[in-house]
Amino acid sequence: NAGVMQNPRHLVRRRGQEARLRCSPMKGHSHVYWYRQLPEEGLKFMVYLQKENIIDESGMPKERFSAEFPKEGPSILRIQQVVRGDSAAYFCASSPGAPKNIQYFGAGTRLSVL
Amino acid sequence: AQSVTQPDIHITVSEGASLELRCNYSYGATPYLFWYVQSPGQGLQLLLKYFSGDTLVQGIKGFEAEFKRSQSSFNLRKPSVHWSDAAEYFCAVGARYGGSQGNLIFGKGTKLSVKP
Repeated sequence: NAGVMQNPRHLVRRRGQEARLRCSPMKGHSHVYWYRQLPEEGLKFMVYLQKENIIDESGMPKERFSAEFPKEGPSILRIQQVVRGDSAAYFCASSPGAPKNIQYFGAGTRLSVL
Repeated sequence: AQSVTQPDIHITVSEGASLELRCNYSYGATPYLFWYVQSPGQGLQLLLKYFSGDTLVQGIKGFEAEFKRSQSSFNLRKPSVHWSDAAEYFCAVGARYGGSQGNLIFGKGTKLSVKP
């Protein structure tokens, strides 16, 4: 039973390029959450998705960031025109949903913007 | 405002000594409570969780945590620390029934170092 799979593990982009981060949830999980971890900080919520729907994107920056979770395939976090401040570890978690919202995390994607 | 406070940024203990990591939360209602552990360069592993019932919960790797409603605390404990426990520990809270508030709120973490 594979866990939450994220790829790539490390991603290097130059300023102005696009970054695409992928997340495949655990089998049977239809809820996906994205979090960002800055150095010396805890994880900050970005977006919560269910299949084909964005449920809560209150933690997403208003510009350049988007997320999707299509009917088929992994969830994608997309960052357009990256800037140095986007350098961070991005974690995906999946959950089977209510009634007990237990979230299981992937190993993360570490994005470095040069 | 909803928040989680881990007052200790860094703790060093000797191998074999006992450990207690503190966590206090501010939340509108009684939340679900979690402790996760993160080794360097790795993802987060769930150590234990509290939903309801017995306020002392057991987790993996010999960890336990106690929920104290009156103190809004959920402290993590281990009676005898092993060198392999060196990692960063995160306390988190979440809404009881998920829904549109399904996200977890994390503390900033406590980094544990273990002396031989």
